Amino acid sequence: DGGITQSPKYLFRKEGQNVTLSCEQNLNHDAMYWYRQDPGQGLRLIYYSQIVNDFQKGDIAEGYSVSREKKESFPLTVTSAQKNPTAFYLCASSIDGGFSYNEQFFGPGTRLTVL
Amino acid sequence: KNQVEQSPQSLIILEGKNCTLQCNYTVSPFSNLRWYKQDTGRGPVSLTIMTFSENTKSNGRYTATLDADTKQSSLHITASQLSDSASYICVVSRVGLYGNEKLTFGTGTRLTIIP
Repeated sequence: DGGITQSPKYLFRKEGQNVTLSCEQNLNHDAMYWYRQDPGQGLRLIYYSQIVNDFQKGDIAEGYSVSREKKESFPLTVTSAQKNPTAFYLCASSIDGGFSYNEQFFGPGTRLTVL
Repeated sequence: KNQVEQSPQSLIILEGKNCTLQCNYTVSPFSNLRWYKQDTGRGPVSLTIMTFSENTKSNGRYTATLDADTKQSSLHITASQLSDSASYICVVSRVGLYGNEKLTFGTGTRLTIIP
């Protein structure tokens, strides 16, 4: 069963705590992405990685960190520096991150709520 | 400024009826335009991807059109079904500074099909 998995589906965090969201893909895709979705707004890119051991900041990277130690995994850490972390987080992957008409496949998402 | 605007924000129609969703964009330089379907609490799923040279593309009961001159796209849904209830997101791709693909997401149209 190929695809992208995200865990957990729901996550609650107290203010001041760091939390890590998991994203795994078995599609053998090189590129992976993290987006944030807020009500009434389009998806916004947090970080992306075009290849293992490399990643780039997206449009709203402040307060977030990522790692890409394995091709299939791209975890996102929401740090206490993120001022408004409550949101729906979506992970995606594509064959590669270059300019080649890439379709992005999305995971089921993680809803993070800060209490 | 690169923007994608969708209308209407929300739409309610009777099962079996047709509907058309609109997307206007100011993204440049244009690479391709995508329509995604997103069920509540789930990740988006791709419906179509259209390049500059494609005017119409169908995927079952979904038909997307693209007018690159006026920078408009539409998604037509024929003979709607209850399972069509979802948000439909228009996404426009451009080439980034480093040759990578950059996506701009619309805020979506929330479609509700009633029996």
